[in-house]
Amino acid sequence: KAGVTQTPRYLIKTRGQQVTLSCSPISGHRSVSWYQQTPGQGLQFLFEYFSETQRNKGNFPGRFSGRQFSNSRSEMNVSTLELGDSALYLCASSLMSLDTQYFGPGTRLTVL
Amino acid sequence: EDKVVQSPLSLVVHEGDTVTLNCSYEVTNFRSLLWYKQEKKAPTFLFMLTSSGIEKKSGRLSSILDKKELSSILNITATQTGDSAIYLCAVEQYNNNDMRFGAGTRLTVKP
Repeated sequence: KAGVTQTPRYLIKTRGQQVTLSCSPISGHRSVSWYQQTPGQGLQFLFEYFSETQRNKGNFPGRFSGRQFSNSRSEMNVSTLELGDSALYLCASSLMSLDTQYFGPGTRLTVL
Repeated sequence: EDKVVQSPLSLVVHEGDTVTLNCSYEVTNFRSLLWYKQEKKAPTFLFMLTSSGIEKKSGRLSSILDKKELSSILNITATQTGDSAIYLCAVEQYNNNDMRFGAGTRLTVKP
């Protein structure tokens, strides 16, 4: 069974731009969660989608948004990028909400 | 405030040593505690613990949960340089899908 895939793997943007990241969960998984990881910060929860609905949201500004499609694939969008948005963005999928999560390889975003 | 605390924050050992990593938590609606190994990319799942006192083992790694003490330990025996990584502890809660992560323990195993 293929694992969680994220595209692109690496991305370089400049301040003020916007970016869209994509996550394809493990086949059959309906829950997709997004995390931001920065050095020294650990993993911080962004939001979780289940059956195309946002179920939970972490403490991030409104510039961070997401959505989930009927095939469970999810996208995360960050608008008006700031330098501090440079991070590894991880997507994790689970069969159902509250199940064990399986992480994708991440998208490393660099904002210049 | 819910929190997960790992100790030590960093650890340097030599190959063959045995290490014990600690994770303590204070969260509401505890569901499970997870250990991950993180190298250069996304964390790799190691163990999920839900029941107190039951040791989970995988090769040289083992972990146990103590719900009374609100803590867990991760043991690595006969360490190898390939064990060098950040070990993350995370706690899942029943009421949401949030996973509260500790800051991690950076383990360095020297040859």
